[in-house]
Amino acid sequence: DAGVTQSPTHLIKTRGQQVTLRCSPKSGHDTVSWYQQALGQGPQFIFQYYEEEERQRGNFPDRFSGHQFPNYSSELNVNALLLGDSALYLCASSLQGNRVNQPQHFGDGTRLSIL
Amino acid sequence: AQSVTQPDIHITVSEGASLELRCNYSYGATPYLFWYVQSPGQGLQLLLKYFSGDTLVQGIKGFEAEFKRSQSSFNLRKPSVHWSDAAEYFCAVGLSYDKVIFGPGTSLSVIP
Repeated sequence: DAGVTQSPTHLIKTRGQQVTLRCSPKSGHDTVSWYQQALGQGPQFIFQYYEEEERQRGNFPDRFSGHQFPNYSSELNVNALLLGDSALYLCASSLQGNRVNQPQHFGDGTRLSIL
Repeated sequence: AQSVTQPDIHITVSEGASLELRCNYSYGATPYLFWYVQSPGQGLQLLLKYFSGDTLVQGIKGFEAEFKRSQSSFNLRKPSVHWSDAAEYFCAVGLSYDKVIFGPGTSLSVIP
């Protein structure tokens, strides 16, 4: 049973570029959340996708956008990259409406470095 | 606004010693409470969670946590630390089980 998988593992970009990160949820899960974890800090919630729509959003600018596909996988897109976007981006998956309130499962993240 | 504080940025304990990591939260109601652990370069692994019921919860790897409503705290404990417990520990709170706010983390070092 595969857990949450993210790709790529590492990525280096320059300021102003655009990046796309990918996430496949744990088998049986239908909801994907994205978090940004800057060095030495806790993860911060970016947004959550369910039924191919953005359900909730944290305090992040519109440069951060996402998408969820019919197979529940998801992409995080960041435009006009800034040095401050350098971080570990974590994807988490969960199942809506599950009776036992199973917490979300996290992937190992994508390390994004901006030069 | 909701917030989570972990007063200790870094803690060092000797192997075999007991451990307590502190977590305090500010929330409008009793939230869902979690402790996660993160090893270097890896994602987050859930140690334990509290939703309701018994305020002392048991988790994996011998960890436990106690919810104290009067103190808005959810401290993590382990009676005997192993060298493999060295990692970053995050307390998290949320209105639901799948949207949470994380604390800043406590880095744990274990000395032989």
